[in-house]
Amino acid sequence: EVQLVESGGGLVQPGGSLRLSCAASGFSISDHYMDWVRQPPGKGLEWVGRTRNRAKSYTTAYAASVKGRFTISRDDSKNSVSLQMNSLKTEDTAVYYCIRVHSGTPKYFQHWGQGTLVTVSS
Amino acid sequence: QSVLTQPPSASGTPGQRVTISCSGISSNIGSNAVNWYQQLPGAAPRLLICCNDQRPSGVPDRFSGSKSGTSASLAISGLQSEDEADYFCAAWDDSLNAVLFGGGTKLTVL
Repeated sequence: EVQLVESGGGLVQPGGSLRLSCAASGFSISDHYMDWVRQPPGKGLEWVGRTRNRAKSYTTAYAASVKGRFTISRDDSKNSVSLQMNSLKTEDTAVYYCIRVHSGTPKYFQHWGQGTLVTVSS
Repeated sequence: QSVLTQPPSASGTPGQRVTISCSGISSNIGSNAVNWYQQLPGAAPRLLICCNDQRPSGVPDRFSGSKSGTSASLAISGLQSEDEADYFCAAWDDSLNAVLFGGGTKLTVL
């Protein structure tokens, strides 16, 4: 059974940093793109970014709103993905979801974690 | 505007058929597949329709998707109370090199 478990959320001050982790089980992340999507309280979904698989040289892509501040990394040996968030702003407050992307074409968000809440506030 | 356009709300009575639209442009819906996600109250989103019109296993055949040009639609027939949820469309955008979501449609079963 595919499982994605996010951790690391919490309260952080504006300008601060936070690192989210996503532990995957039931499959090998090395075969998959892994994405992060966020949802501000009471609002819609926003794609954050992605780490592509080994076949695509583990390249990354980011939404314009987080580029230069957020970094996605992966450790295939630990079957985990991380989201390093720096220079946090109040508008980064959201539930952050870790996602396994379908390995074929076209791509879609096949499995979602339960999410972890990040609150940026002074 | 870097989102796909959905109506903010939709409603229907049990047994009715409801459709939710999703509008984009040539660089997103016009060039790439549309996927739909359902988010029940208090839960994480889940995949509902992939690849414009494909239902993953476990999704009732009451749900169907279609795409034409730069627009897509989600149809729900035989509406049930458990269909009350938020629905989001999504597609890759070739110009932005990003996944775009619609703003979401809150479906109410009257």
